[in-house]
Amino acid sequence: AQSVTQLDSQVPVFEEAPVELRCNYSSSVSVYLFWYVQYPNQGLQLLLKYLSGSTLVESINGFEAEFNKSQTSFHLRKPSVHISDTAEYFCAVTLSSGNTPLVFGKGTRLSVIA
Amino acid sequence: DAGVIQSPRHEVTEMGQEVTLRCKPISGHNSLFWYRQTMMRGLELLIYFNNNVPIDDSGMPEDRFSAKMPNASFSTLKIQPSEPRDSAVYFCASSSTSSGSNEQFFGPGTRLTVL
Repeated sequence: AQSVTQLDSQVPVFEEAPVELRCNYSSSVSVYLFWYVQYPNQGLQLLLKYLSGSTLVESINGFEAEFNKSQTSFHLRKPSVHISDTAEYFCAVTLSSGNTPLVFGKGTRLSVIA
Repeated sequence: DAGVIQSPRHEVTEMGQEVTLRCKPISGHNSLFWYRQTMMRGLELLIYFNNNVPIDDSGMPEDRFSAKMPNASFSTLKIQPSEPRDSAVYFCASSSTSSGSNEQFFGPGTRLTVL
């Protein structure tokens, strides 16, 4: 079975500062990795995903995540955050074979302070 | 595309009542997932379907919960009888096996409150 650990439940950061949201996973088989974002009272939106190839993946709004197989990590980073980045961020994994359910971490609440 | 559609968006009911949540997946998607989100347990899978067939319902809490997918464009999640501990946000998500990425698209969720 797969599992995901998000080490920080809450991360406060000042506007324009860098941020890293940590994610570690456990799986005995090959997985795909995802970061989803949830704004207040909304559903989950895909932020970025790692399937294969380059270990560094980027989103259109400046976030990036790096897959590290040896450390079984998929940390999310942004060099300069905006107020609008305030949201809950979920790391998730799914098996790379077939359409299988996502296993989510507990989430990290990012609060950007003006 | 309209995305995944869920109804109702909010439901308030009294303990013991039957609750039915509805989901319309994205057209052409052949996998559908029901998740529940609570403060205590986070996001958990309840059940999922591939090609309208239930594949794994091990996440369904107990016999009070049931889910159906009568066709490719509609699914229901029913709770009968409902209890206060069922209060949560219920998400439906869909995906396509042909995409190769396992990316799931989520609906806006149904916020259920059982008094």
